[in-house]
Amino acid sequence: EAQVTQNPRYLITVTGKKLTVTCSQNMNHEYMSWYRQDPGLGLRQIYYSMNVEVTDKGDVPEGYKVSRKEKRNFPLILESPSPNQTSLYFCASSPDWGFVGEQYFGPGTRLTVT
Amino acid sequence: KNEVEQSPQNLTAQEGEFITINCSYSVGISALHWLQQHPGGGIVSLFMLSSGKKKHGRLIATINIQEKHSSLHITASHPRDSAVYICAMGRDDKIIFGKGTRLHILP
Repeated sequence: EAQVTQNPRYLITVTGKKLTVTCSQNMNHEYMSWYRQDPGLGLRQIYYSMNVEVTDKGDVPEGYKVSRKEKRNFPLILESPSPNQTSLYFCASSPDWGFVGEQYFGPGTRLTVT
Repeated sequence: KNEVEQSPQNLTAQEGEFITINCSYSVGISALHWLQQHPGGGIVSLFMLSSGKKKHGRLIATINIQEKHSSLHITASHPRDSAVYICAMGRDDKIIFGKGTRLHILP
């Protein structure tokens, strides 16, 4: 089954404790992206990747890192999480960059930073 | 001014009504998507448009590139259509989202 998986689905952590949210897709897609969703602000793009070893900043990259060492995986790293990073996070993949292909979203990761 | 404006923000209608959700944008785009987010939080892609009109079951999406406007229509609405509908667009390699329309269909 074609899918995007994210782990963990729920996470409560404390300020400053490094964490990684994993994202994996089994569709051989080139384009992958991370978004955060906040009430009143909607979805906003954090980082995206057009292929292995090619990543770039979205609209809200501060406080986040990503890497794309393999085509299928695109982990989101929070080196020193802060309470303002409490949010619902989505990973997505697409066969085409520039948002011209169908988007496949992961189930979401709800992160709480205390 | 936001680059993407959706209207209405909230919409409550009776089962069977014809629903229209609008999306206006102010910049050149490569493609426009309509997404559906269910109450459980999952997001599903409904349509991708670069011109004209697409139909899938009871859902119809249109786009007017000259007017920078897109609409999502739902015919014969049903309570299971209750969700948040989000328009999103590609600009260069980045993606910009509208804030969403929360639709509630009453039985």
